[in-house]
Amino acid sequence: ETGVTQSPTHLIKTRGQQVTLRCSSQSGHNTVSWYQQALGQGPQFIFQYYREEENGRGNFPPRFSGLQFPNYSSELNVNALELDDSALYLCASSFSGVRELFFGEGSRLTVL
Amino acid sequence: QQQVKQSPQSLIVQKGGIPIINCAYENTAFDYFPWYQQFPGKGPALLIAIRPDVSEKKEGRFTISFNKSAKQFSLHIMDSQPGDSATYFCAASVSGTYKYIFGTGTRLKVLA
Repeated sequence: ETGVTQSPTHLIKTRGQQVTLRCSSQSGHNTVSWYQQALGQGPQFIFQYYREEENGRGNFPPRFSGLQFPNYSSELNVNALELDDSALYLCASSFSGVRELFFGEGSRLTVL
Repeated sequence: QQQVKQSPQSLIVQKGGIPIINCAYENTAFDYFPWYQQFPGKGPALLIAIRPDVSEKKEGRFTISFNKSAKQFSLHIMDSQPGDSATYFCAASVSGTYKYIFGTGTRLKVLA
């Protein structure tokens, strides 16, 4: 059974740029969620995707957007990067109706 | 009302000790309470979870105690080992959503 995989693991961007982060769900999982974890903080919910549609969103601006593909993999896109966007971005997958959420290792984004 | 308050912020115990981490919530709609373990540079890993119809749950050396009337729950780690040194997060979610509300984390250090 393959776990949740994310890419890239680390990346550095400058303010105003755009970034795309990718996630492959754990085998058999059809729901994906994205979380932002600032240094020394708990993860914060960005949004969730099910059947290729956004199905729940946290308190993040529209410049945070996502996609889910037919194979249940997902992308997180962030436009107009700000310094405060520097964080660990975590993808988590689950099977619809099952409460357990399984996280990937994350993508560490640094915005300069 | 959406917060989950976690304490202490950090904890140091001797090997074999029983660290206890506490969490409190306000939203009575929360019905699923997982605990996650996170090592530096890694994603959170699910340890154990409980629902409010159960007062205690054990899995290996990890025990959750749940007090529904007080809206509090806690994690106990029996016979703690240096390998348990990590950051622990409690979380809560409402049925039908994968929007987990995480606590701020407890950094545990187990001395050899």
